[in-house]
Amino acid sequence: DTAVSQTPKYLVTQMGNDKSIKCEQNLGHDTMYWYKQDSKKFLKIMFSYNNKELIINETVPNRFSPKSPDKAHLNLHINSLELGDSAVYFCASSQGGSGAGQYFGPGTRLTVT
Amino acid sequence: AQSVTQLDSQVPVFEEAPVELRCNYSSSVSVYLFWYVQYPNQGLQLLLKYLSGSTLVKGINGFEAEFNKSQTSFHLRKPSVHISDTAEYFCAAGGYNKLIFGAGTRLAVHP
Repeated sequence: DTAVSQTPKYLVTQMGNDKSIKCEQNLGHDTMYWYKQDSKKFLKIMFSYNNKELIINETVPNRFSPKSPDKAHLNLHINSLELGDSAVYFCASSQGGSGAGQYFGPGTRLTVT
Repeated sequence: AQSVTQLDSQVPVFEEAPVELRCNYSSSVSVYLFWYVQYPNQGLQLLLKYLSGSTLVKGINGFEAEFNKSQTSFHLRKPSVHISDTAEYFCAAGGYNKLIFGAGTRLAVHP
């Protein structure tokens, strides 16, 4: 059973388009995250949700909008895609904060042309 | 502000040799410390974590790490590496809700 799953795994799109990435976790965790990993492998948190409420919103452009319909899902919608948005996006989850360890999905490689 | 520094971007090592991947963090408060491994084209997998208690932490795949508060370090070690350990390793530090990751260390194990 996949603990944290993301779809799609690969996403190739043109500048200016709007796209969404979906994330689901079946671990029963109450906190979910979105991270961006750039071409140099640097990993940076974007958002964190706890029980469907936004608790962390790093300096991310307004074009990025997370949505959490329930505790098990955290989707990421990106408007007006730019070349600089090309990266691998990881979803993660944890129970009760980071202390228990965050569990990561397989990643979505977004390429904007 | 919290930061995590992984001192080596790449570590080449021969199979069955010991390895140490270095990590230093900066924080004025207690933190949680983690090591994650990322195999090619995969997500991150938790290797081990330090929350409190014993400063020597054992993880999966034969890895261990030692928390050193005075040196603000959390170095990862393995006494004998395998080819299959070739991957990117990330050190992370954080509080309750947020983790800060280091830039990663590429471990390359050669036969």
